[in-house]
Amino acid sequence: GNSVTQMEGPVTLSEEAFLTINCTYTATGYPSLFWYVQYPGEGLQLLLKATKADDKGSNKGFEATYRKETTSFHLEKGSVQVSDSAVYFCALRPMDSSYKLIFGSGTRLLVRP
Amino acid sequence: GAGVSQSPSNKVTEKGKDVELRCDPISGHTALYWYRQSLGQGLEFLIYFQGNSAPDKSGLPSDRFSAERTGGSVSTLTIQRTQQEDSAVYLCASSLGLAGGPMLNEQFFGPGTRLTVL
Repeated sequence: GNSVTQMEGPVTLSEEAFLTINCTYTATGYPSLFWYVQYPGEGLQLLLKATKADDKGSNKGFEATYRKETTSFHLEKGSVQVSDSAVYFCALRPMDSSYKLIFGSGTRLLVRP
Repeated sequence: GAGVSQSPSNKVTEKGKDVELRCDPISGHTALYWYRQSLGQGLEFLIYFQGNSAPDKSGLPSDRFSAERTGGSVSTLTIQRTQQEDSAVYLCASSLGLAGGPMLNEQFFGPGTRLTVL
C-alpha cells in the first residue's frame, strides 16, 4: 500500500542553521510528492511539490528533490528563521488518484533566536 | 478572499453524544475533503466530494461517521454516539476539482475543529 514516513520531531535548531527533514515513501509507480506546512493556529498550506522523478520543488527558501532511486523527498533549507517554526508534513498522491493525499505524521520544527 | 472556514474551532462533548462539524469551502471550489488528525498521527483521509458525483467514503472509520454536502457548497461531518477515540482535529479542505486537473488540484485547508470526547 501507499505510505509516507518522516522523521520524528521535534527538531530544534538555532536561527541560520541548516535544516533537513527526512521523508521516504512507499508507492507504486510515480506518485506526486508534496510538503505541507502548518503554522501555529493556521491551516495546512502547500509549501512545495514535485510530480516526477528528479524534479526539485522549491518555495520560500525550502527545497526538496524527488528521488525515485531512494524513494525520498527530503526537505532542506540553508538558513532557517524563527518564523519557520511550524509542523511540516510530507505527503504523496498516488498515480491512480487525482485527489487522495497520503500524509506522514508530521515533524515539528522549533527555531530559536 | 476568504479561505476555507470551519466551525466550531473547538468542541468538547461527552461520550455517547452526537456532534456536527461544519466546513465552508472556498467559493467556486467543486471538490471538498475531510481529514482527521489524531495526536501524533498524520492526516487520515475520511471522505471526498466532487460536484454532484457520489462521494468517496472509503476513509470513514465506522458507520457512526457520515457527511453531507448541501448545494455543492457547505459540508457537515456528523459523528454519532461519540467515543473517546474520536478525539482529534478534523480538517476540511477544498480544491478546484477535476476541472483543474490533477496538476492544479491543490487542496486548501481550513484551520480545523478540535474535538475532545470526555
